[in-house]
Formats: sequence, structure tokens, C-alpha cells
Amino acid sequence: SQQGEEDPQALSIQEGENATMNCSYKTSINNLQWYRQNSGRGLVHLILIRSNEREKHSGRLRVTLDTSKKSSSLLITASRAADTASYFCATDYGNNRLAFGKGNQVVVIP
Amino acid sequence: DTAVSQTPKYLVTQMGNDKSIKCEQNLGHDTMYWYKQDSKKFLKIMFSYNNKELIINETVPNRFSPKSPDKAHLNLHINSLELGDSAVYFCASSQAGLVTEQFFGPGTRLTVL
Repeated sequence: SQQGEEDPQALSIQEGENATMNCSYKTSINNLQWYRQNSGRGLVHLILIRSNEREKHSGRLRVTLDTSKKSSSLLITASRAADTASYFCATDYGNNRLAFGKGNQVVVIP
Repeated sequence: DTAVSQTPKYLVTQMGNDKSIKCEQNLGHDTMYWYKQDSKKFLKIMFSYNNKELIINETVPNRFSPKSPDKAHLNLHINSLELGDSAVYFCASSQAGLVTEQFFGPGTRLTVL
């Protein structure tokens, strides 16, 4: 699978529900970041979790990192229509570049 | 104030033409990047500059040439455009390499006819 690959790739939920996305990677990382991209716009950084951290919160977002399984998850609680976007994970392997996943399309139905 | 800006937002051109995309950031960042996002939304890094010095040059045709006149600007010139160059090109910047977040521009949608 592609490094920094999100799963599932498309998610449709009702407003108020939680949305969970997963990301897996292949080798050791320095940190993992999640970004949001609204249609026709640039990516916006959401949260960064370092390799020595296991969980991080930011507002309605919760990110976990399991380095033994080389995976991360992004949870959006109490989703809103404005959360409709594509969500990307990006891994920093320490080689001066981020490897982005394929993106996860989330549609929140009002 | 826009943090990372790109011009133009849309670019439609014929095969074989030469075109440029400009990027400017007013965040005081040292590092700037060019990414290409294809129709399936896959985002791939092309180039990175740190304080006007090229530090990443991915496997990109040499028809693509970045230029950084100063650390706030990173332009992308493309010669002899091909159909496969059609994509959305994003400029981004970060304060200190990749340990921190990257700030993205709004993108330039390039369509080669």
C-alpha cells in the first residue's frame, strides 16, 4: 500500500455523527500530520503528532498514533456540514519531504 | 492578508507553450515547496527551496524549472507544456523544514489543450 495511505477513502455521514479515518505508513517517522482540503482550495494543516506521542487533541479533532502498527487515526467528533472535505495524512520520514496519502473524502449530510 | 498566494489561479494553454506560475509568502518562512496534485488528488512534491537554495528536486522533467529570487518567492516555469502536465499546482511554505506545519497556497489549475 502507498505510504501514508488513508482508509476508507470515502465516507458519508450525518451531521452530528463522528467520522474516523485511518492512515498507515511503512517505515519509521519523525512525525505525522493531518491536513484538510476543501473543494477547489489548498490544504490546511489540522494537527501534527510526533513519533513519541500517542494521542493529541485539537477542538473536535482527536489524532492517535500507534508506531508499533505504523498507523494513525483521525477522529472528528460531532461532525458539521462544514467538515465536508478531503482529509490527508502526511508522514515526515526525516528526508526533507512529506509523503502525502491519497486523501479521504468526507461528506457530512445536514 | 493572504499568507501564501499564487498567480494565476487558472491557466489554460496549448501544448508546446511555455508558462510560469508565481508564488509569494508573507509568513517569513525559510522553506518553500511546489507540489503537483493530479486528477485523483494524489499530491506529490516537486521541488523545495530553503532560503533560496534548492534542497529537493524530485524526478521531474527538466522542462520544469523553479526559481527563487528571494526567500519569499518561488516561481515555477514550465517549458514545452504537455497534456500530462494538466494538474493543480500548489505552492507551500514552512518555517523550519518539515518538522512544522506547511502552509499551502490556493493552487493553480493548469489545463493543457
